[in-house]
Amino acid sequence: AAGVIQSPRHLIKEKRETATLKCYPIPRHDTVYWYQQGPGQDPQFLISFYEKMQSDKGSIPDRFSAQQFSDYHSELNMSSLELGDSALYFCASSPPTSTNTGELFFGEGSRLTVL
Amino acid sequence: DAKTTQPNSMESNEEEPVHLPCNHSTISGTDYIHWYRQLPSQGPEYVIHGLTSNVNNRMASLAIAEDRKSSTLILHRATLRDAAVYYCILRVNNAGNMLTFGGGTRLMVKP
Repeated sequence: AAGVIQSPRHLIKEKRETATLKCYPIPRHDTVYWYQQGPGQDPQFLISFYEKMQSDKGSIPDRFSAQQFSDYHSELNMSSLELGDSALYFCASSPPTSTNTGELFFGEGSRLTVL
Repeated sequence: DAKTTQPNSMESNEEEPVHLPCNHSTISGTDYIHWYRQLPSQGPEYVIHGLTSNVNNRMASLAIAEDRKSSTLILHRATLRDAAVYYCILRVNNAGNMLTFGGGTRLMVKP
């Protein structure tokens, strides 16, 4: 079965640079969630989108922005990168409410390293 | 948001059952109890969820106290591949809302 696809899997950037992470949800899933997980930390919710509109907002820095496109894929844009942005970034998706069992499906993550 | 409390870590022997407790004394009537686990270097993975009744699936069982202020995730026969951090999460109305991860239990399985 198709899973959530994240790209790139690994990314190395310098401080003050910009990075973009992409997430392709499971087909027919309409909600996308972004999480950040620092070393030794629990995943922290950043932001989510439902039907291309922002639905929930968590601890996402102002330097970060995200959007969901018409094909339901999502991109997380991170600017003015800081050393503390080094983390695993997970994307998750969930199906429409009518078929939703309450489960979020997570991708394998994108590891961002800021030097 | 209602909070959950779990032990920081637990140990189990391979092939034995494991009972992972979770306290959620401030749970509201619309909160579903979800369990996820995160294996090393992987994304979180759904395990099971429930509202009031006990639930079983191929991965685990979920026992929910009658007053819903606590629950227990039961792995019937732990394997080395079950070594992970297990998160007990309350989620309002089950669908369409984000999950808040925090304070999971690191399960270690000994051969």
